[in-house]
Amino acid sequence: NAGVTQTPKFQVLKTGQSMTLQCAQDMNHNSMYWYRQDPGMGLRLIYYSASEGTTDKGEVPNGYNVSRLNKREFSLRLESAAPSQTSVYFCASSPPGGYSNQPQHFGDGTRLSIL
Amino acid sequence: GESVGLHLPTLSVQEGDNSIINCAYSNSASDYFIWYKQESGKGPQFIIDIRSNMDKRQGQRVTVLLNKTVKHLSLQIAATQPGDSAVYFCAENANDYKLSFGAGTTVTVRA
Repeated sequence: NAGVTQTPKFQVLKTGQSMTLQCAQDMNHNSMYWYRQDPGMGLRLIYYSASEGTTDKGEVPNGYNVSRLNKREFSLRLESAAPSQTSVYFCASSPPGGYSNQPQHFGDGTRLSIL
Repeated sequence: GESVGLHLPTLSVQEGDNSIINCAYSNSASDYFIWYKQESGKGPQFIIDIRSNMDKRQGQRVTVLLNKTVKHLSLQIAATQPGDSAVYFCAENANDYKLSFGAGTTVTVRA
């Protein structure tokens, strides 16, 4: 049972470099999400995709772009990485019904450091 | 600012005792609440959820209590085990697709 798979698990970038974080789920979920987690803080929503073909901004979208490639895959792109984007990034998915009815299932994260 | 918060950032509990983790929320329109457990190096793992039309829900060794009057949520863990050591997050559905997370409580189980 793979669930939500994120790649890579670790990455170090230099300021200004670009990077795409990959996420795939095998649970046939409609909705997918990208969060960042910083020390002492809860998860903050960057972008989400309610269903295939749609994406929307979350709480902290600046500096990021996303692509819902198909129902399984949802990628997060940093076009020009900044030190403030050093964080742990989590992808999640949920069945139809969005947040209001179903819990989200999370991957194990990508630990990103920007120098 | 965040609408969900935990009362204490850390909790130390003796193995075998019961644990209670508290959470306060501020949005009275929230209708769905979730508790997650996060172990070191892992993603959050779903523990239990509760909808606003309920005030108590039980799972295996866990119970969630919801008090809408004072906007308070708690997670009770019975007979705490070493494997329960983790960070626990509460989350609320403020509106569709915008789940708000608290900062987390770190639970340490003493042998």
